[in-house]
Amino acid sequence: NAGVTQTPKFQVLKTGQSMTLQCAQDMNHEYMSWYRQDPGMGLRLIHYSVGAGITDQGEVPNGYNVSRSTTEDFPLRLLSAAPSQTSVYFCASSEVQGRTEAFFGQGTRLTVV
Amino acid sequence: TQLLEQSPQFLSIQEGENLTVYCNSSSVFSSLQWYRQEPGEGPVLLVTVVTGGEVKKLKRLTFQFGDARKDSSLHITAAQPGDTGLYLCAAQYQTGANNLFFGTGTRLTVIP
Repeated sequence: NAGVTQTPKFQVLKTGQSMTLQCAQDMNHEYMSWYRQDPGMGLRLIHYSVGAGITDQGEVPNGYNVSRSTTEDFPLRLLSAAPSQTSVYFCASSEVQGRTEAFFGQGTRLTVV
Repeated sequence: TQLLEQSPQFLSIQEGENLTVYCNSSSVFSSLQWYRQEPGEGPVLLVTVVTGGEVKKLKRLTFQFGDARKDSSLHITAAQPGDTGLYLCAAQYQTGANNLFFGTGTRLTVIP
């Protein structure tokens, strides 16, 4: 009963380093998305995908890349980490049609020093 | 960018009290969801409201969707310490589009 799995749970990066946040879901959902959560700002959409091979930008895409080679996986790449990217990152998945309940992972707390 | 305002931002009440959290937008929603988030976890869906004027109840929680579909409220009756958490509203502005726009959240603390 895994649902949405994110790794790692915690990460510290130095400015300029790159890394990939992993996200996998086992519910066969077509729609997947990445959010960042900052104090007082709620969750903001970074990138999303409506199916394998299809990705698009959300509200705050700068500094992040995504790809969707399979239905299950939706990794988020930070190309050159900046202190402004310190945040908690959440991956979510949902069905494209019908119920649009979003199922979230447990989050990755990223600190960029 | 759609603006979704939640109020209050923080709420600290005694066990047994009632409370209401508000979610407002200048744009019409196609649907509105309420989530609850606990520390170290992702948000978990409580309810989805779709029809203007709709009222849904989940035990001691009552959710209302405004007639004009620009606002929603969450009312908790006789709050318990287990209700403590971050409550988030999330709007869909286009039918069939999965993108959710989240409010800033209400952090509720219920004191025993």
